[in-house]
Amino acid sequence: QVQLVESGGGLVKSGGSLRLSCAASGFIFSDSYMSWIRQAPGKGLEWVSYISSTGITIYYADSVKGRFTISRDNAKNSLYLQMNSLRAEDTAVYYCARARVARTTVGRCGMDVWGQGTTVTVSS
Amino acid sequence: QSALTQPASVSGSPGQSITISCTGTSSDVGGYNYVSWYQQHPGKAPKLMIYEVSDRPSGVSNRFSGSKSGNTASLTISGLQAEDEADYYCSSYTTSSTVVFGGGTKLTVL
Repeated sequence: QVQLVESGGGLVKSGGSLRLSCAASGFIFSDSYMSWIRQAPGKGLEWVSYISSTGITIYYADSVKGRFTISRDNAKNSLYLQMNSLRAEDTAVYYCARARVARTTVGRCGMDVWGQGTTVTVSS
Repeated sequence: QSALTQPASVSGSPGQSITISCTGTSSDVGGYNYVSWYQQHPGKAPKLMIYEVSDRPSGVSNRFSGSKSGNTASLTISGLQAEDEADYYCSSYTTSSTVVFGGGTKLTVL
């Protein structure tokens, strides 16, 4: 079945780094724009970044620009988020999600498949 | 990248209809017909309920409908049911080619 499974979350000190992974299955990963979205404890959803199906087009939220890097390996059906210079305000559940329409940016068509999330805690 | 504005909470009785608003600017909601709505139950991942302002993915009840006027989008849920109690988030594409979410609305079914 169509599935996204995140991993790599954990506890890290302020200023540290962490790499999240998202394993995709059940669909043609290389056709899909992918996105990371986060949710701080008790707060709303915050879009973090998205990457095109080829990996050429990438966008970030201002809050993470210059610190986070999104990437993908279509041969491994995997999406990644390298997080550097982590801050307490980066503490959140991080979800990966798929664009609903192949080769279409997530912002235009919505995100129809979401992972279960992985928790990142940054201690100060 | 300011968040879209949603009411913090709305409530309704079973069988009634409720509407959740989502206000942005001409740079996001008002500039495109690319508004989506998501439902999130506690401890669960969000679920896409509406895309492109008013279209429903397969499997989503037709009790859910969306619309837009100017810089404000709306989600209407008719025939409220207990299982509709959840948090709801709107999102929009922006002129910067990014995505912005609303702050979220907690729906309580009385």
